[in-house]
Amino acid sequence: AQTVTQSQPEMSVQEAETVTLSCTYDTSESDYYLFWYKQPPSRQMILVIRQEAYKQQNATENRFSVNFQKAAKSFSLKISDSQLGDAAMYFCAYRTPIYNFNKFYFGSGTKLNVKP
Amino acid sequence: NAGVTQTPKFQVLKTGQSMTLQCAQDMNHNSMYWYRQDPGMGLRLIYYSASEGTTDKGEVPNGYNVSRLNKREFSLRLESAAPSQTSVYFCAISGRKVGNTEAFFGQGTRLTVV
Repeated sequence: AQTVTQSQPEMSVQEAETVTLSCTYDTSESDYYLFWYKQPPSRQMILVIRQEAYKQQNATENRFSVNFQKAAKSFSLKISDSQLGDAAMYFCAYRTPIYNFNKFYFGSGTKLNVKP
Repeated sequence: NAGVTQTPKFQVLKTGQSMTLQCAQDMNHNSMYWYRQDPGMGLRLIYYSASEGTTDKGEVPNGYNVSRLNKREFSLRLESAAPSQTSVYFCAISGRKVGNTEAFFGQGTRLTVV
């Protein structure tokens, strides 16, 4: 089974500043998908951003961007201009190729605190 | 458009009791999943169903059974609940087409076994 590692259990950032959350994964596949999900205290799982492994360009969604390093199997999330509403648990997720059972594997999560 | 509807939202069981968690989707996706979330461990796959009529074990299947009733519904059953099954349970779905690959989640069920 693939493994997804988030080595930062908890991080803090000052409002309006930038923070980067780390994620590494292990796979022998070449065609897969990566995601970052946000989980606020409401428990809802919200998709933040996705990256297809076959795309070299890093994905961006407004204040959220990723640094995808395929050879290093690294997928970090950068949050710019942090806002109080960004405070949540963040999970990195790996999805197997479409032709291979569509299984998702999640990291253990990083709790992000945003200080006013 | 509800997406993924999961019931109940909260449940307290006594050790040895049984219960079924229900999940229904209206997005016409083929794949459905049951995860459990425990502090410091992320989401771990219990069972999944790649398509209607098929189910397979995930990482932590012991103590659980599933039924893919039809394309819309995927239930998780605890036959004899144990305190170790205290957790938050999520149902999720996903598609199989490029550009439609993320998982969509239900709101979760907080289960406490005493």
